[in-house]
Amino acid sequence: DAGVIQSPRHEVTEMGQEVTLRCKPISGHDYLFWYRQTMMRGLELLIYFNNNVPIDDSGMPEDRFSAKMPNASFSTLKIQPSEPRDSAVYFCASSLAWSETERPYGYTFGSGTRLTVV
Amino acid sequence: SQQGEEDPQALSIQEGENATMNCSYKTSINNLQWYRQNSGRGLVHLILIRSNEREKHSGRLRVTLDTSKKSSSLLITASRAADTASYFCATAPDPYSNAYSGGYNKLIFGAGTRLAVHP
Repeated sequence: DAGVIQSPRHEVTEMGQEVTLRCKPISGHDYLFWYRQTMMRGLELLIYFNNNVPIDDSGMPEDRFSAKMPNASFSTLKIQPSEPRDSAVYFCASSLAWSETERPYGYTFGSGTRLTVV
Repeated sequence: SQQGEEDPQALSIQEGENATMNCSYKTSINNLQWYRQNSGRGLVHLILIRSNEREKHSGRLRVTLDTSKKSSSLLITASRAADTASYFCATAPDPYSNAYSGGYNKLIFGAGTRLAVHP
């Protein structure tokens, strides 16, 4: 497996434009996570999905952010309109499911998308 | 919001020395994990320890967990220049904790320790 694949690797856009980040998780993984990393705030969990269904979106900063997972092999994170404070590295990660009776699994992260909003 | 806090924020050592990083957290956990991040790259899972375990080993890595103190430590023995990276602890919440919210498969990351190993 090629791992978690994110695109694009770098994105530079002007304030007010729509930005779409893409993620392909590892085949067979039940969970998909979107994180944002900045120097000031570290790694923040934005939203995560279980079997394509959003479970917790409490980390999504505001209504300008939206995420979808139309199928098990693809997810998008959209920012509309984008603002300079959205500049960050956005990571997608995936994981197998585990329960209390199973040994937990770690996450596999993608290489990230570095977003710069000017 | 960040659950874990790593200490120290930065660590500089010579090759061959041991590196110890600490992590403290606030609420009850199901498990704690350590990740490495090389500059400009994604995070890589290193090791996982469950709340009912006290110590785990993986190669040159040793992790301890003290749930009474809500703390963990990561020890890298005989460090190499290639170990230079940022190291993050991450906690998965205990689903039976009063502080629990959302699914228990999610991880909350600390701010990380930047480790520099000099040849």
